[in-house]
Amino acid sequence: DAGITQSPRYKITETGRQVTLMCHQTWSHSYMFWYRQDLGHGLRLIYYSAAADITDKGEVPDGYVVSRSKTENFPLTLESATRSQTSVYFCASKASGVTGELFFGEGSRLTVL
Amino acid sequence: QKEVEQDPGPLSVPEGAIVSLNCTYSNSAFQYFMWYRQYSRKGPELLMYTYSSGNKEDGRFTAQVDKSSKYISLFIRDSQPSDSATYLCAMGRNDAGNNRKLIWGLGTSLAVNP
Repeated sequence: DAGITQSPRYKITETGRQVTLMCHQTWSHSYMFWYRQDLGHGLRLIYYSAAADITDKGEVPDGYVVSRSKTENFPLTLESATRSQTSVYFCASKASGVTGELFFGEGSRLTVL
Repeated sequence: QKEVEQDPGPLSVPEGAIVSLNCTYSNSAFQYFMWYRQYSRKGPELLMYTYSSGNKEDGRFTAQVDKSSKYISLFIRDSQPSDSATYLCAMGRNDAGNNRKLIWGLGTSLAVNP
């Protein structure tokens, strides 16, 4: 299917566990992003990537790791999950040269107990 | 003070009403402005995109930008129950190093009642 897909859609884990959220896009967009969305804070940028092997920190990167070995994939790893990382995570992509328009996945709802 | 302020609502209107959603911002360097719509348990999707001051119309939706007042609006005419969603404003700068960093409002929750 064309588009941007995230997995898993729902995940419950325990404090201290490692969790990886997957993101895959079929458009060959250059840019990819990870946001978290929390009540009272809105969308906050965690990490973004301008191309394969190029990543950079966003507004709230602490506790997260990303990689981008292939253009179409941009996994987000929580190395040691904390309760404060309970959130809805959105992956997004954007074509190079097209200002601003992001295409979002459906989100991954993570609960850390 | 946040760079972008948006009243989170919730806003509840009867079907057929005209809805006005607003955002104010403080950074005069913002050059493009967007409205995203987000249905419950879905990702945001782009609704309207404007570069300049003035109005842009698309069907029942009109986006308005007033750069002198640092104020943007989204108007929905003849609102429908299917318009019930959260509406997020976003804005950004079109210069090197900043064109990938959007600043988001918190979103306004809208319910259109049949």
